[in-house]
Amino acid sequence: SQTIHQWPATLVQPVGSPLSLECTVEGTSNPNLYWYRQAAGRGLQLLFYSVGIGQISSEVPQNLSASRPQDRQFILSSKKLLLSDSGFYLCAWSVGLYEQYFGPGTRLTVT
Amino acid sequence: KNEVEQSPQNLTAQEGEFITINCSYSVGISALHWLQQHPGGGIVSLFMLSSGKKKHGRLIATINIQEKHSSLHITASHPRDSAVYICAVTVVLRSNYQLIWGAGTKLIIKP
Repeated sequence: SQTIHQWPATLVQPVGSPLSLECTVEGTSNPNLYWYRQAAGRGLQLLFYSVGIGQISSEVPQNLSASRPQDRQFILSSKKLLLSDSGFYLCAWSVGLYEQYFGPGTRLTVT
Repeated sequence: KNEVEQSPQNLTAQEGEFITINCSYSVGISALHWLQQHPGGGIVSLFMLSSGKKKHGRLIATINIQEKHSSLHITASHPRDSAVYICAVTVVLRSNYQLIWGAGTKLIIKP
């Protein structure tokens, strides 16, 4: 069966520090991968999606970036965090149509 | 205007009440999803609809494609139903299927 992992589960970082969140998927090949962010009191926002290794599409201009160094690994990064980057970050995967399956999420607090 | 609108934003009800959450969308969709997000952040997929009606236990979801509207009903509500309920639609974006999310409805069921 398929499994999706995200880490860390929670993270507190100072403004201006770098960020690296990792997502890995097991049990499937060539998944579509997604990074979402949920800011406090707001809905989920698609940040990046990837249809293959090295293929990243960005939906929202920001100081975040994403990389997919391996088929089942998706990394969300920032060189310098802003206060507005605080939120709940979700990784998801899908194969083909419709269903997206979500990881447990990372709660990021930028202080 | 958001492409997916949910109402109400917040709903508090007594245990046993019949609950209705509404979702309207303004884009052409392939499918509509209802998801449940627990206080810890984890997201569970409840339904995926492209037409008609589906029922799982005390949960019922309906969709009217012509009116671009869906409803989620909870019968005999219970405090454990307290969560954020999210409506999301699948659209085709740059040859890939994406989810557009509503802002969510925060439901509190009081004992």
